[in-house]
Amino acid sequence: QQQVKQSPQSLIVQKGGISIINCAYENTAFDYFPWYQQFPGKGPALLIAIRPDVSEKKEGRFTISFNKSAKQFSLHIMDSQPGDSATYFCAASGDSGGGADGLTFGKGTHLIIQP
Amino acid sequence: DAGITQSPRHKVTETGTPVTLRCHQTENHRYMYWYRQDPGHGLRLIHYSYGVKDTDKGEVSDGYSVSRSKTEDFLLTLESATSSQTSVYFCAISGGGTVNFGQGTRLTVV
Repeated sequence: QQQVKQSPQSLIVQKGGISIINCAYENTAFDYFPWYQQFPGKGPALLIAIRPDVSEKKEGRFTISFNKSAKQFSLHIMDSQPGDSATYFCAASGDSGGGADGLTFGKGTHLIIQP
Repeated sequence: DAGITQSPRHKVTETGTPVTLRCHQTENHRYMYWYRQDPGHGLRLIHYSYGVKDTDKGEVSDGYSVSRSKTEDFLLTLESATSSQTSVYFCAISGGGTVNFGQGTRLTVV
């Protein structure tokens, strides 16, 4: 049973455009929702995270939108740049970021920003 | 890389041989994890540890064992490697409300 569903699998966006990646979760006990960015040959790096007490969090060009009633959250990358080309993973945890549950991941989105 | 070192970074081994991967942290965090990453599956939890000698199974633990004799070291052992265990393995640590990953070990079982 996949507890975190991520879409799309791949995404091509023109430079300067907005990249949007969506995730949906099933477990209402989840209380921490991070996004990771991964470049080829590297480990996933924490990009931005949100907790369910807020509906939006912004850090620079990256924004998480969170809809608790719909059990959905999304990553928006504004003014997308070629350097943003990477694989993005959403994740969820029921233990405020790690703990015994670890993280449950979506399957990833391969993002390509075309110059 | 948040004070996480994985070794080796690459390994090729034969089916049926034992393999041990090492994760070393310098953050003194309590929780450590082993994940595997496969195309189309994202990252899946193999085992985790919540302290010295305290470990538990994750989603895909069959064929793997772990040990943690010191806070800083978490070992993942494939007792008898199979081709289905060809993957990229990531160690992660949890502390301060975030989870950080190492650089990964690419394991190929031939």
